[in-house]
Amino acid sequence: KAGVTQTPRYLIKTRGQQVTLSCSPISGHRSVSWYQQTPGQGLQFLFEYFSETQRNKGNFPGRFSGRQFSNSRSEMNVSTLELGDSALYLCASSLALAGGAGELFFGEGSRLTVL
Amino acid sequence: AQSVTQLDSQVPVFEEAPVELRCNYSSSVSVYLFWYVQYPNQGLQLLLKYLSGSTLVKGINGFEAEFNKSQTSFHLRKPSVHISDTAEYFCAVINYGGSQGNLIFGKGTKLSVKP
Repeated sequence: KAGVTQTPRYLIKTRGQQVTLSCSPISGHRSVSWYQQTPGQGLQFLFEYFSETQRNKGNFPGRFSGRQFSNSRSEMNVSTLELGDSALYLCASSLALAGGAGELFFGEGSRLTVL
Repeated sequence: AQSVTQLDSQVPVFEEAPVELRCNYSSSVSVYLFWYVQYPNQGLQLLLKYLSGSTLVKGINGFEAEFNKSQTSFHLRKPSVHISDTAEYFCAVINYGGSQGNLIFGKGTKLSVKP
């Protein structure tokens, strides 16, 4: 079955612009999480959505937002881009098993460069 | 708050040699532990996970890890590495009962296998 699909794979923006990234989870997965990966900070949790509701949120400013649609697809948005937002943004989906025992399946990421 | 420490940021090793990548987590509460691998320009792929039961966990590609609760460690091992094992490896943890979308990752260990 198809894996997690993220679009676009690469994009270049300038400071002050906004960007929207898309994630299609594995069919049947209701949980979608977003992570930011940078060389300095590693993998940092942004937020998790489950059944269209934000279930958890990491320690990022309000410029970072997301949503999930009824078909479990998710988008994240970053407004007023800063140079430091340059990163690989990874989406992961899961079955959301009780107690946290399930596996996260990751997409290949969207690499954002802010100039 | 839970945290994960990967003690080595880079590990160079020759082909067919054994390797150990070290991982320690901070909290002694009941946890689930994971190792993920990331190949260049790709997302993360699950190598193995510890949920309960036997403390020695076997994963894909010949990797295994041992859970040590008293030392709060989950070191990854492979008896004989291949060039194709060159990648970045991430240890991750989630507290039992937590949301599986919110994994806490270590900063990663870059394994470089030389011929």
